[in-house]
Amino acid sequence: QSVLTQPPSVSAAPGQKVTFSCSGSSSNVGNNYVSWYQQLPRTAPKLLIYDNNKRPSGIPARFSGSKSGTSATLGITGLQTGDEADYYCGTWDSSLNTVVFGGGTKLTVL
Amino acid sequence: QVQLVQSGAEVKKPGASVKVSCKASGYTSTGDYIHWVRQAPGQGLEWMGIINPSGGSTLYAQKFQGRLTVTRDTSTSTVYMDLSSLRAEDTAVYYCARELEDCRSSNCYDLWGQGALVTVSS
Repeated sequence: QSVLTQPPSVSAAPGQKVTFSCSGSSSNVGNNYVSWYQQLPRTAPKLLIYDNNKRPSGIPARFSGSKSGTSATLGITGLQTGDEADYYCGTWDSSLNTVVFGGGTKLTVL
Repeated sequence: QVQLVQSGAEVKKPGASVKVSCKASGYTSTGDYIHWVRQAPGQGLEWMGIINPSGGSTLYAQKFQGRLTVTRDTSTSTVYMDLSSLRAEDTAVYYCARELEDCRSSNCYDLWGQGALVTVSS
């Protein structure tokens, strides 16, 4: 029932590349900027990407973000076992006047 | 070090209120927009509201209108989240989070509190 749609899970092998999708509408993803968060078990979320494709200080370049229309994508290259976490997208929704998040995608590094 | 330090876990009965604090430490917080985000057990993130740097303006998600009050004491660099008429579905970890200064959509939080578990149970 989340406003933004994310697949529940993805998996990939160490060293590989993985992408996460985030689908919305014109009132949110389509006309606002998207952020991505990583949440390790029992910890607060960590900002990975903001304004669609910017990385905060300290986030390595193997994390990248993009947006096209009403969908956004997070990419991680050179997967590490420490990347196993839940990943959330978020943005502003101009109709709801609220920040909205996706339901999250659980990454398993095989 | 730079951090947001939240108050501890709370157990409340249905119908009661809870007040969670969020204190900025290690930096000057006078320019911060602070958001509140909650996460029910095993669930995703849910945005609750925001307060501006002076504490004079707030915006709440419609879902919490009438039950949520966010206030700020600038003299102690502390923000408070007060949620009333608690029900079992309010059981969650409540996070405060600082909005990144150059964020364009009010959804970029670069500093988070450690979270405060609020349990609502009779």
